[in-house]
Amino acid sequence: GENVEQHPSTLSVQEGDSAVIKCTYSDSASNYFPWYKQELGKGPQLIIDIRSNVGEKKDQRIAVTLNKTAKHFSLHITETQPEDSAVYFCAAMDTGRRALTFGSGTRLQVQP
Amino acid sequence: NAGVTQTPKFRVLKTGQSMTLLCAQDMNHEYMYWYRQDPGMGLRLIHYSVGEGTTAKGEVPDGYNVSRLKKQNFLLGLESAAPSQTSVYFCASSYSQGSMNIQYFGAGTRLSVL
Repeated sequence: GENVEQHPSTLSVQEGDSAVIKCTYSDSASNYFPWYKQELGKGPQLIIDIRSNVGEKKDQRIAVTLNKTAKHFSLHITETQPEDSAVYFCAAMDTGRRALTFGSGTRLQVQP
Repeated sequence: NAGVTQTPKFRVLKTGQSMTLLCAQDMNHEYMYWYRQDPGMGLRLIHYSVGEGTTAKGEVPDGYNVSRLKKQNFLLGLESAAPSQTSVYFCASSYSQGSMNIQYFGAGTRLSVL
């Protein structure tokens, strides 16, 4: 099955700075990579995703990059704001189960 | 449009007791999932269903059973609760578009087993 590793586990930045979270996956057949944001006391919510036929995708202040050869993908948040503070999870599609395998999460804290 | 609704929100059990967690979705999604979330371990898949009447094991299925008798409902059962099952449980549902699998999550059930 798929295995996803995520780093760092915690990340603290100043408001306005950029934040980068990195993930690696093991199954070269995986072809879908979403990112979820989880606020305190809530369920995860999809913020951006990318398919394997695309190298980069942007949505306002967030972007995701994918390197299929190296089997890693990253989330980039620019101009961070205090409301970006949350736990972020990367995931990869387990093509066998047609289910997502999640990374262990990154707690992002944006200091005002 | 409520999305994905989980009941109950909180529960405390004694070791050996049984309980059922209910997940309901109103988006007509085919796929439904149960995850558990533990500190530092992300979300781990317990069981999932690709359609009414079908279920399959995920990454950590031991000690849990599921049923999907109706398309909109996915039940997670603990027959004999153990302290190791103390966790936050999330249900999700999704539709699938080709290679994509966009999952919508409920708010979670916090379970403590004493």
